Amino acid sequence: EIVMTQSPATLSVSPGERATLSCRASQSVSSNLAWYQQKPGQAPRLLIYGASTRATGIPARFSGSGSGTEFTLTISSLQSEDFAVYYCQQYNNWPPVFGGGTKVEIK
Amino acid sequence: EVQLVESGGGLVKPGGSLRLSCAASGFTFSSYSMNWVRQAPGKGLEWVSSISSSSSYIYYADSVKGRFTISRDNAKNSLYLQMNSLRAEDTAVYYCARMYCSSTSCYPLFDYWGQGTLVTVSS
Repeated sequence: EIVMTQSPATLSVSPGERATLSCRASQSVSSNLAWYQQKPGQAPRLLIYGASTRATGIPARFSGSGSGTEFTLTISSLQSEDFAVYYCQQYNNWPPVFGGGTKVEIK
Repeated sequence: EVQLVESGGGLVKPGGSLRLSCAASGFTFSSYSMNWVRQAPGKGLEWVSSISSSSSYIYYADSVKGRFTISRDNAKNSLYLQMNSLRAEDTAVYYCARMYCSSTSCYPLFDYWGQGTLVTVSS
């Protein structure tokens, strides 16, 4: 089973600043990588798939990059509604596996 | 509008059983693979099980294999998860989630989620 490792566990950022989140796979997952956002008490929301394609309705300030084993989610200018936990997920191999999450909190 | 509404969660003793349901609307349910994903309190996400559109293909996480059974009723636009021999470590919010499909293929990532139903396994 592929292991997905996210860093950092917590990221403290001021509103308006850029946030950069990392996700590493234990073996290559090609570009079969998704990112989700989860706010407290809510279900996860799909942000990015194919490593870099924004899902329907996702603002352009969210961008994804990477391939193989190293991936990045960038939020260009953090808005108040962006403070949440972010998960990456590989879907190149069964079973689909999520990373442990990065909490983006207000600095 | 796509809607997924889970039900059936609750408190159950270790070794007990529970059946979760997910009612789908706003899309052609019979055309999509469906999934259960769970989240233990304060923890991350864990994929549990997937079922293809016609129930031909079914997959389980090792942690639930042999204890949980996924099924669906396309006539009722419903997804189910029968959970037997429940353990304390099965305590989690269980989400019903739709598998993403492009115009040509489907991939095991999840584009719509329900709000979840809490299962608590405790004596």
